Amino acid sequence: DSGVTQTPKHLITATGQRVTLRCSPRSGDLSVYWYQQSLDQGLQFLIQYYNGEERAKGNILERFSAQQFPDLHSELNLSSLELGDSALYFCASSQGGQGIGEQFFGPGTRLTVL
Amino acid sequence: QKEVEQDPGPLSVPEGAIVSLNCTYSNSAFQYFMWYRQYSRKGPELLMYTYSSGNKEDGRFTAQVDKSSKYISLFIRDSQPSDSATYLCAMSGTDSWGKLQFGAGTQVVVTP
Repeated sequence: DSGVTQTPKHLITATGQRVTLRCSPRSGDLSVYWYQQSLDQGLQFLIQYYNGEERAKGNILERFSAQQFPDLHSELNLSSLELGDSALYFCASSQGGQGIGEQFFGPGTRLTVL
Repeated sequence: QKEVEQDPGPLSVPEGAIVSLNCTYSNSAFQYFMWYRQYSRKGPELLMYTYSSGNKEDGRFTAQVDKSSKYISLFIRDSQPSDSATYLCAMSGTDSWGKLQFGAGTQVVVTP
């Protein structure tokens, strides 16, 4: 158990809908990262937040957005869902914000868009 | 060309053998190198974390980094069936904050 929690574990929804994925980092970690894992693309970095502020952005679609709250939990919002958004979404956390230090991953949320 | 190249396997070895995994990369700014183990689409589990070049050992696991060749390796000694999983290399640099660049992952099967 990495100490990173994610909810829900599974999510099934329809095209065009909007969903919210939630992540709680390990105690003491200030950075939260979101990754997408699909069969054809592997693990892809989406976005990083450090102590409430956006710090790095990857190939995140405009339909996706994220935020980190004062209690350091983070939410990833996916809207206007398409079939291709079906994937595993992982959250990771680390102590620092400058890419120094280990990142610990949560169990993931499996999103299925029908 | 991908920044991080990793042979997807599968790599099949008999129990007790040494598993040898490797990744190559193209970005010379990478300084932090990690190996993760992932069981059947569960969350990746951090195995090894190394900074810059050199070797690091932890139990049955040894990680090596050769920055001059842009090549990293992971060795698993005395492999067990429970080591059967996908192993992902990941790396980052101080210029990219926390963005980890992952390899495609190598599927390892350890047969009893």
